Amino acid sequence: DTAVSQTPKYLVTQMGNDKSIKCEQNLGHDTMYWYKQDSKKFLKIMFSYNNKELIINETVPNRFSPKSPDKAHLNLHINSLELGDSAVYFCASSRWSTPNYGYTFGSGTRLTVV
Amino acid sequence: EDKVVQSPLSLVVHEGDTVTLNCSYEVTNFRSLLWYKQEKKAPTFLFMLTSSGIEKKSGRLSSILDKKELFSILNITATQTGDSAVYLCAVQGGSEKLVFGKGMKLTVNP
Repeated sequence: DTAVSQTPKYLVTQMGNDKSIKCEQNLGHDTMYWYKQDSKKFLKIMFSYNNKELIINETVPNRFSPKSPDKAHLNLHINSLELGDSAVYFCASSRWSTPNYGYTFGSGTRLTVV
Repeated sequence: EDKVVQSPLSLVVHEGDTVTLNCSYEVTNFRSLLWYKQEKKAPTFLFMLTSSGIEKKSGRLSSILDKKELFSILNITATQTGDSAVYLCAVQGGSEKLVFGKGMKLTVNP
């Protein structure tokens, strides 16, 4: 069974559209993350939720809004998509009580804005 | 299905020790293997390896790839407490997306 699953795996959409990426984990972790991978393979954290509460909110456009309906889910909604939003987005999860250990990443969602 | 396996999952050493982290992989249409160091938030990029047998070095860290045996190692010599972190291995295959291992937690004690 997939531990951290993201859907969709690929997303091609036009500028100006609104889209969502979903993430679910079945590991019993209490903390979930969204990362954006840039063209140089650097991973930049965007958001983190612990027990459904936002704990990390890096400087990202307001067009990006995370939503965590429960500990096992963290979705990413993007409004008014722009060309520069094209990237691979990774979801990850971990246990807050054991920081810096046991990160599990999803397989990524490749977003292409045309 | 693409897969990345790291070993050991955790390691505790004393300052000055040398450690070797292992990463084995199965991936379709291999493109590159990457090592990251994760301390708090986002992983920090360390190395990207694409060719077998060519060692990449940065200070006390070095890494090498064996594309025949499908593995890579990350060496850290003269470890320091600041090396304590989770080290992630990731592989890029034909889909161009990264597949991550679960990470290896290194603890360096004074």
